Amino acid sequence: DIVMTQSPDSLAVSLGERATINCKSSQSVLFSSTDKNYLAWYQQKPGQPPRLLIYWASTRESGVPDRFSGSGSGTDFTLTISSLQAEDVAVYYCQHYYSTPPGTFGQGTRLEIK
Amino acid sequence: QVTLRESGPALVKPTQTLTLTCTFSGFSLTTSGMCVSWIRQPPGKALEWLALIDWDDEKYYSTSLKTRLTISKDTSKNQVVLILTNMDPVDTATYYCARTDAARGGMDVWGQGTTVTVS
Repeated sequence: DIVMTQSPDSLAVSLGERATINCKSSQSVLFSSTDKNYLAWYQQKPGQPPRLLIYWASTRESGVPDRFSGSGSGTDFTLTISSLQAEDVAVYYCQHYYSTPPGTFGQGTRLEIK
Repeated sequence: QVTLRESGPALVKPTQTLTLTCTFSGFSLTTSGMCVSWIRQPPGKALEWLALIDWDDEKYYSTSLKTRLTISKDTSKNQVVLILTNMDPVDTATYYCARTDAARGGMDVWGQGTTVTVS
């Protein structure tokens, strides 16, 4: 099974500053025939279900603010929040959907305001 | 509008079997590319993907739980059912169902979750 590892486990960033969360997969999630990375990012606020932010590693879901961006390929991926807002305080998860079984999540990264 | 709603018992005893139902609307599980997954989250812990069923009735399970899990669908009722046998206190969690459109990837619509306590 593919193992997803996020870093850091927690992060404190000042309002307006950049936040960067990393995700590494134990094997490539780039499918050569489609040239797509089968990786998604989610945001989860307390008491709420997760919200899809990014899919195909870099495609922003409809309605997601453009301060959120995803990058990377193969085994190394990054979620960047360009200018942190108070409402971005949450736990962020990466997830692959490449192989069988699909769907493994990273352990999560807790983002707080410094 | 796509919605999903989980239902099932809030409390089960150890060794019992848990049956959860995801009732959805706004899409059909007979449409190519549509999938429904089950995911759980123990209190204060990370998300754990459990199982997925797709439009073609293909089923995928978490490696660590596959001997205890069964996923099925009833397309006439727009429902997906998850069965987890031999429940243990460590299975205490909020259980979510979520939709995936395979053409886009990722789980784009989630239910609110149902909390299950094993005690």
